[in-house]
Amino acid sequence: GQQVMQIPQYQHVQEGEDFTTYCNSSTTLSNIQWYKQRPGGHPVFLIQLVKSGEVKKQKRLTFQFGEAKKNSSLHITATQTTDVGTYFCAGQTGGSYIPTFGRGTSLIVHP
Amino acid sequence: SQTIHQWPATLVQPVGSPLSLECTVEGTSNPNLYWYRQAAGRGLQLLFYSVGIGQISSEVPQNLSASRPQDRQFILSSKKLLLSDSGFYLCAWSVRGREKLFFGSGTQLSVL
Repeated sequence: GQQVMQIPQYQHVQEGEDFTTYCNSSTTLSNIQWYKQRPGGHPVFLIQLVKSGEVKKQKRLTFQFGEAKKNSSLHITATQTTDVGTYFCAGQTGGSYIPTFGRGTSLIVHP
Repeated sequence: SQTIHQWPATLVQPVGSPLSLECTVEGTSNPNLYWYRQAAGRGLQLLFYSVGIGQISSEVPQNLSASRPQDRQFILSSKKLLLSDSGFYLCAWSVRGREKLFFGSGTQLSVL
């Protein structure tokens, strides 16, 4: 079945440093979504990418969808303590409305 | 606006006891409904999903079951809990035909 791999599992950064998490799928995706889960909270939808090579920005967050629609990345510029949490990617293949989640990357920001 | 309610927030149950977690969605009709489990520090494991009343699909064989007695109500149950059932249970919904998931606040279940 479809697998979505996400790396790294954990990332420690000093406040102000950049952060990137990567997501790779074994199959071509129709779209990919990103969610953020704060410690003790529930996942919250951030964004969805649909087009090959698509790049979207939300303030300090930059999301990319690969040309082959098999990989994606989330990059945070100049991290802040409010960025702490686990970031999940979730991919879907054509014909399935059920997203397959990656294992998530937990971001720890040290002040 | 749409809201999702999930309760209880925390639950401590002895091994072998039954379980019932409830989730309701307001402000929408015919949603797709999901139950996920998240072990400590791990990813999201899809347990069940439903596209309509009485329609349940199971992703992982286990001693859990799900039911959808009403359009916007989704229940997760077990007759006898195991230690391995401990985890963070999340209910979610999506608009039919759309992929974006909206999660409830979750239930932290500890089986002792």
